[in-house]
Amino acid sequence: DIVMTQSPDSLALSLGERATINCKSSQSVLFSANKKDFLAWYQHKAGQPPRLLIYWASTRGSGVPDRFAGSGSETNFTLTISSLQPEDVAVYYCQQYYVPPYTFGPGTKLEIK
Amino acid sequence: EVILVESGGDLVQPGRSLRLSCKTSGFFFGDYAINWVRQAPGKGLEWVSFLNTAAYGGTEEYAASVKGRFTMSRDDSEGIAYLEMNSVKTEDTAVYYCGRGLRWFDYWGQGTLVTVSS
Repeated sequence: DIVMTQSPDSLALSLGERATINCKSSQSVLFSANKKDFLAWYQHKAGQPPRLLIYWASTRGSGVPDRFAGSGSETNFTLTISSLQPEDVAVYYCQQYYVPPYTFGPGTKLEIK
Repeated sequence: EVILVESGGDLVQPGRSLRLSCKTSGFFFGDYAINWVRQAPGKGLEWVSFLNTAAYGGTEEYAASVKGRFTMSRDDSEGIAYLEMNSVKTEDTAVYYCGRGLRWFDYWGQGTLVTVSS
């Protein structure tokens, strides 16, 4: 199974600051045939279902604000929130869909300082 | 509007069975794979299972923690996916979400709570 790790475990920043969340996979999730990374990011707020933010490592989902950006390739990925807003308080998960089981990272809790 | 609604969650004793449903609307169900993802109390998200469309052979995949005990099925005419949970264990206690998609999950239901306890 592909093991996903994330850092940091939690993050407390001020409004307007940049948030950076890292995700690492135990093996490459880059599919050579289409040169796409099989990696998604989700935002999960308490009491709500998860929300898709990013797929193919860097493509924003429908309706996702452009302050959210995904980057990276192969085994190292980053989710960046350029200017933190109050509604961004949540737990953020990366997930690989390269091969089943489609494992999630352990999550990064983002709070406002 | 795309909608997924889970139901069937309940308090169940260890070793018993339970069936969860994921009723959908707002899209052509037969064109989409469905996944189940769960979140145990105080824990992160755990992918549980996947059922592909008939066009792709209806292939199924399961997490090791549930393989052999859980089974997915789908009724394309009704737009419903099911998760049959057999021989449940206390560690199956979680909120269970269904999610639409073959790779990433773009729409999710609100979740249904399964509590396994004697």
